[in-house]
Amino acid sequence: QSALTQPASVSGSPGQSITISCTGTSSDVGAYNYVSWYQQHPGKAPKLMIYDVSNRPSGVSNRFSGSKSGNTASLTISGLQAEDEADYYCSSYSSSDTRVFGGGTKLTVL
Amino acid sequence: EVQLVESGGGFIQPGGSLRLSCAASGFTFSSYGMTWVRQAPGKGLEWVSSISGSGGGTYYADSVKGRFTISRDNSKNTQYLQMNSLRAEDTAVYYCARVATYSYDVWGKGTTVTVSS
Repeated sequence: QSALTQPASVSGSPGQSITISCTGTSSDVGAYNYVSWYQQHPGKAPKLMIYDVSNRPSGVSNRFSGSKSGNTASLTISGLQAEDEADYYCSSYSSSDTRVFGGGTKLTVL
Repeated sequence: EVQLVESGGGFIQPGGSLRLSCAASGFTFSSYGMTWVRQAPGKGLEWVSSISGSGGGTYYADSVKGRFTISRDNSKNTQYLQMNSLRAEDTAVYYCARVATYSYDVWGKGTTVTVSS
């Protein structure tokens, strides 16, 4: 149950687009279309932003999108806004009914 | 309103035991799997354990297997995490979350567990 690999930090200016990668293995990200993404503001609980690789829950802005290629999933945020500044975590279903999270990426809006 | 409220956290010495509870409201509890996710101070999220809606299926991270036990009481709309043989590395905020197929769509605010002598 090794953690998925995410960049420690990314940054972008308001209005720009950024992409956060999430690299796993053929036992988790590469094996299942069950990657989800969570946003966490300081001191708050995580919030589901993307599920099943590319689906947005009701109420989540369409500026957030997800994709996957091989063992790597990606979260793209377009039209960056100040309130997007937060930590982002990916998660994947893994073998034997376990789950694994990424190490987290701190997004800074410049 | 769909809501999850954790309780039971606290300060405990290494080797001790603690039971966390998560009270659910606003949805049909027995229809959903539930999970526990923890976050050590300044660290990322770590999946701890999950349980099926009926309680018949339970799953654990290697780091807690044999020490933690997840359970649920559907008549009380509550899930539990019994934590035994606690270690310093178990210190974290423990979040309860609802399982929506393969993601976690509703989260509680968390309860803090501190293991220290």
